[in-house]
Amino acid sequence: GAGVSQTPSNKVTEKGKYVELRCDPISGHTALYWYRQSLGQGPEFLIYFQGTGAADDSGLPNDRFFAVRPEGSVSTLKIQRTERGDSAVYLCASSPRRGGTDTQYFGPGTRLTVL
Amino acid sequence: AQSVTQPDIHITVSEGASLELRCNYSYGATPYLFWYVQSPGQGLQLLLKYFSGDTLVQGIKGFEAEFKRSQSSFNLRKPSVHWSDAAEYFCAVVPFSGSARQLTFGSGTQLTVLP
Repeated sequence: GAGVSQTPSNKVTEKGKYVELRCDPISGHTALYWYRQSLGQGPEFLIYFQGTGAADDSGLPNDRFFAVRPEGSVSTLKIQRTERGDSAVYLCASSPRRGGTDTQYFGPGTRLTVL
Repeated sequence: AQSVTQPDIHITVSEGASLELRCNYSYGATPYLFWYVQSPGQGLQLLLKYFSGDTLVQGIKGFEAEFKRSQSSFNLRKPSVHWSDAAEYFCAVVPFSGSARQLTFGSGTQLTVLP
């Protein structure tokens, strides 16, 4: 079946602009995660949704970052007033339930470059 | 502080040689343990996971990992490496207790395979 998909695969923007990154999870998966991976680093957690609600947003670096999942499926990560330090690969993952033992299935990521 | 450590940034092995990638964690209680692989242009793929029971875990692509509580380690092994195993490998954990469900990743080990 279809895996996790993310669009766009690449996004180049200018400092100060607004961007939206989209994640389509595996159908039926209730949990959805966003991570950010900087060059040479492991992914770092941003936010976790269970259904439509953000169950844990403790990883969002500041209030320029916001994410939604209005219908409990597709999620959008929104970044306002982008900065060069926001350049990274943004990864989305989904899992069937909310347990810590669930496998998280990752999408290919969106590479964001802020000039 | 809770952490996941992969001491080796880069490992080079010859095709057909054995492989061991190290992972150490620092948590109050043994967390749930995972190994993921990331190939260029690919999403993160789960190799194996450990929650409890037999301390030797078998995964996909001929990989295995051994949990050692006394050493707080979860090292990944493969008896004979193939050229297609060249990739970056990440150890990750989910805390056993508490409400957190997100993965915390190590910084990764880049594997190069020589012909």
